[in-house]
Amino acid sequence: NAGVTQTPKFRILKIGQSMTLQCTQDMNHNYMYWYRQDPGMGLKLIYYSVGAGITDKGEVPNGYNVSRSTTEDFPLRLELAAPSQTSVYFCASKSTGVGQPQHFGDGTRLSIL
Amino acid sequence: GQQLNQSPQSMFIQEGEDVSMNCTSSSIFNTWLWYKQDPGEGPVLLIALYKAGELTSNGRLTAQFGITRKDSFLNISASIPSDVGIYFCAGSNTGNQFYFGTGTSLTVIP
Repeated sequence: NAGVTQTPKFRILKIGQSMTLQCTQDMNHNYMYWYRQDPGMGLKLIYYSVGAGITDKGEVPNGYNVSRSTTEDFPLRLELAAPSQTSVYFCASKSTGVGQPQHFGDGTRLSIL
Repeated sequence: GQQLNQSPQSMFIQEGEDVSMNCTSSSIFNTWLWYKQDPGEGPVLLIALYKAGELTSNGRLTAQFGITRKDSFLNISASIPSDVGIYFCAGSNTGNQFYFGTGTSLTVIP
């Protein structure tokens, strides 16, 4: 069982470039999340989705976009990469049910130069 | 956003010692979770707490949901080298959106 899979694991971008971070889960979870983790800090919620076709902003959504066309996939898009977006990005999913824990992928380490 | 403060920020302990860390929130939560993160990996769930006052164990780990619902505690007994990592608390009052603490970095000296 693969769980939550993120690609790529590492990426270096130039300022102004765009890219999509991929996330897929095979647990049929309705809820999916994107977080960023800066050095020495906890995770900050970027966007989340409660099901296919539904997305909502988290704490730090500026500079990012998401879509949720299927239950399995929840890609995160950076349109105009900025140095402030250098971070480690984690995708997570959880099943429906209050308080059910999130399951995390292994992260994408992104550097903007 | 919600503020979750974890303490201590880092700990250096001898193998075999017990460890205590805590997490406090500026608001009430209905769910507290504790995760461990190893270098280069995503957080992995250790313990989930759903009721004020609840005390739950997972092997050498024990966590408690504070009575005020604004705090939670994690204890590790008889630490071993593989306990090294960063421990995060997370809280929720909706059950679907979680706020994470800043983490406690644990180093175990053999």
